[in-house]
Amino acid sequence: DTAVSQTPKYLVTQMGNDKSIKCEQNLGHDTMYWYKQDSKKFLKIMFSYNNKELIINETVPNRFSPKSPDKAHLNLHINSLELGDSAVYFCASSQDRGAGVDTQYFGPGTRLTVL
Amino acid sequence: RKEVEQDPGPFNVPEGATVAFNCTYSNSASQSFFWYRQDCRKEPKLLMSVYSSGNEDGRFTAQLNRASQYISLLIRDSKLSDSATYLCVVRMDSSYKLIFGSGTRLLVRP
Repeated sequence: DTAVSQTPKYLVTQMGNDKSIKCEQNLGHDTMYWYKQDSKKFLKIMFSYNNKELIINETVPNRFSPKSPDKAHLNLHINSLELGDSAVYFCASSQDRGAGVDTQYFGPGTRLTVL
Repeated sequence: RKEVEQDPGPFNVPEGATVAFNCTYSNSASQSFFWYRQDCRKEPKLLMSVYSSGNEDGRFTAQLNRASQYISLLIRDSKLSDSATYLCVVRMDSSYKLIFGSGTRLLVRP
């Protein structure tokens, strides 16, 4: 059983296009995250939702818009894609509200290539 | 200065070797510390949490020095399967936000 799943796994698209990445977790967790891992392998938080409420919104271009229809899903929509958006995007989830030890479980990643 | 800094490596060691990774963090308010492991083209996975008193999990030992803002990971008797990138991760209190280092790459050769 896949705990955190993402679709698609690979996404190749042209500059200027709009695309979405979907994430689902079946762990019953309350909190979900989007991370971006760039070509230098640096993994950085973009957004986090807790029970459908946005709780982390890092300095990310407003072309990126997360949407959480329910606590098991967190999607990422990207408008007007740019070359610099090429990266691996990881979804993650965790149970705690930040108290104690947080184990974040990551999805397999979506490798986005913008041409 | 980066919030979490690691030596990128790669560390190239023979099987059976002992290898140590270091990590420093800049924010003294940091409260929780972890080591994650990331295999090539895979997602990060929690390896172990790091406690003030130090903790061990089999061949892996993690240490924390709050005064120096320094975290370490020691791997004894390296296996080929230990080859991966090891990510030092820090969380500040009352925050969901994890800050990841850029990782240290380990290659264990036969």
